[in-house]
Amino acid sequence: DQQVKQNSPSLSVQEGRISILNCDYTNSMFDYFLWYKKYPAEGPTFLISISSIKDKNEDGRFTVFLNKSAKHLSLHIVPSQPGDSAVYFCAASTHSGGSNYKLTFGKGTLLTVNP
Amino acid sequence: GAVVSQHPSWVICKSGTSVKIECRSLDFQATTMFWYRQFPKQSLMLMATSNEGSKATYEQGVEKDKFLINHASLTLSTLTVTSAHPEDSSFYICSARTDQETQYFGPGTRLLVL
Repeated sequence: DQQVKQNSPSLSVQEGRISILNCDYTNSMFDYFLWYKKYPAEGPTFLISISSIKDKNEDGRFTVFLNKSAKHLSLHIVPSQPGDSAVYFCAASTHSGGSNYKLTFGKGTLLTVNP
Repeated sequence: GAVVSQHPSWVICKSGTSVKIECRSLDFQATTMFWYRQFPKQSLMLMATSNEGSKATYEQGVEKDKFLINHASLTLSTLTVTSAHPEDSSFYICSARTDQETQYFGPGTRLLVL
């Protein structure tokens, strides 16, 4: 059972426009959410995170929105740049039960930003 | 940001041999380290969680006797794939966490078992 879902395997966007990557989760115990960017044959790079006590977090061109009632979060990248082309993973964790904050990942969305 | 290194980045070995992969946090002390594997076009699957000085906690379906994890210090964890077989060929990635919630990932190790 997949607890973190990224339903779009790929997304193509024109340079300068907004990229919106979506993520849904099913486990209501998740209280911390992260986005990672990954190039082939490399480890994921942390981008931005959000705690469940917030509904928005912004860092430069990256903004993450969290809708707890819908169990949905999204990553907005604006303006998109060709260097943003990569696979984006959504991840979630919970504080409860001595979880050690282990992350549950979605399957990723391949973002392609066209010049 | 926090830097995590892995060594080696590539390893090719014969079936039946053991392979050790090192994961180091370079500029911080890691409370917890995690080991993942990723198959092509798949997500990262958590294999185990290790805390310094204690036994690793393995995820369901991961053989602890096959994937030996040692977390001897706050900056080093090792994963040993024992008696490796071709089906163990994969991309292994470690991550490290401080007392904050964010995990920082290493660059990964590509293992090919012939």
